[in-house]
Amino acid sequence: AQKVTQAQTEISVVEKEDVTLDCVYETRDTTYYLFWYKQPPSGELVFLIRRNSFDEQNEISGRYSWNFQKSTSSFNFTITASQVVDSAVYFCALMLGGSGYALNFGKGTSLLVTP
Amino acid sequence: GAVVSQHPSWVICKSGTSVKIECRSLDFQATTMFWYRQFPKQSLMLMATSNEGSKATYEQGVEKDKFLINHASLTLSTLTVTSAHPEDSSFYICSAPLVGGEKLFFGSGTQLSVL
Repeated sequence: AQKVTQAQTEISVVEKEDVTLDCVYETRDTTYYLFWYKQPPSGELVFLIRRNSFDEQNEISGRYSWNFQKSTSSFNFTITASQVVDSAVYFCALMLGGSGYALNFGKGTSLLVTP
Repeated sequence: GAVVSQHPSWVICKSGTSVKIECRSLDFQATTMFWYRQFPKQSLMLMATSNEGSKATYEQGVEKDKFLINHASLTLSTLTVTSAHPEDSSFYICSAPLVGGEKLFFGSGTQLSVL
């Protein structure tokens, strides 16, 4: 069975703090893809990153960075120097290679960044 | 870039009426589209896979007679909530993969409120 766990339900930080959102996944497949999406109050899903199971390189994009570790089945997301505009719900999701592109989402982490 | 258009953004209807939600790929063909449902402060749950020219595939626990899906063309999938009841009130969002699944595009979502 496939599963995505985001243990942190809500996180509150003060602006400029760094924050890490955890994501742990379960799958027996060797080919899979991991995603992070941001969902602001408007509801739309904003794509942040897609990583395939064969690429364990960490990625940095501006203030965002991702740490993919297959040994611990984790794909954590760090926001450096958080800003109020980062306040949103963040979802980690798993797609299996043969799933036809359907996503299995975690429960999401609600991030609140206060001034 | 490729865009998925979803309409309406929000709809309020009376209990017992039917509501149709459209998901349209604007500049690419989508033989498959996905419909998700999100209850307040919950994760996104896959409801069904819409297949162009054939029957949709529904996830366990989703009533196919209640949530009618039609994918009559390569750019349009519709979800009709029949005889809607207050418990159907939810955020519905569609997604469509680009060929090869390299990219997934989400619609902006539809907030359904059934009175």
